[in-house]
Amino acid sequence: QKEVEQDPGPLSVPEGAIVSLNCTYSNSAFQYFMWYRQYSRKGPELLMYTYSSGNKEDGRFTAQVDKSSKYISLFIRDSQPSDSATYLCAGGGGGSNYKLTFGKGTLLTVNP
Amino acid sequence: GAGVSQSPSNKVTEKGKDVELRCDPISGHTALYWYRQSLGQGLEFLIYFQGNSAPDKSGLPSDRFSAERTGGSVSTLTIQRTQQEDSAVYLCASSLSSSGNTIYFGEGSWLTVV
Repeated sequence: QKEVEQDPGPLSVPEGAIVSLNCTYSNSAFQYFMWYRQYSRKGPELLMYTYSSGNKEDGRFTAQVDKSSKYISLFIRDSQPSDSATYLCAGGGGGSNYKLTFGKGTLLTVNP
Repeated sequence: GAGVSQSPSNKVTEKGKDVELRCDPISGHTALYWYRQSLGQGLEFLIYFQGNSAPDKSGLPSDRFSAERTGGSVSTLTIQRTQQEDSAVYLCASSLSSSGNTIYFGEGSWLTVV
């Protein structure tokens, strides 16, 4: 079992839809979680950083962490065509505090 | 610089040749990381530097891979005797320190071995 599992999609939604992206993880030592957005042939760009269970909101983006079920989510409200990208979840902390473990990424397309 | 800078952005090399990939981290960032991203795969950790030291090299796939960092800044990832399976995007990242700080990635070096 990989430490971070993520449905690769692809996921296709109409403009304006609410998007839900999800990951599960197995490493109980993870202390913080990140969501990165990666456009085609570009490097990953940090979207959200969460350190504890609960919700964190930033504009149209909400990150949710449930440590009891080892489940993390990213919600995108009022999705735009510019949100079309691959979204990567990652967990970090614990014994190897510096190292991020990534899911494989979910490819999202928002259709105008 | 404003962000993590990597060069070359694209490299096509013949099987068996050596390649060097360079990373210039964000100024003041003491921690530096190399990751590899293959087609359809997630990011795979290769090596971590704190200053010029590499406390964790556990992700380097084989002894053909090596990396160094000098002056607490620029890092070079070297792949000797390249193989076709080395074709991937090599991503460098840096953070202010290693303790859970935000990690910023460069645009990557896209390596193709033919």
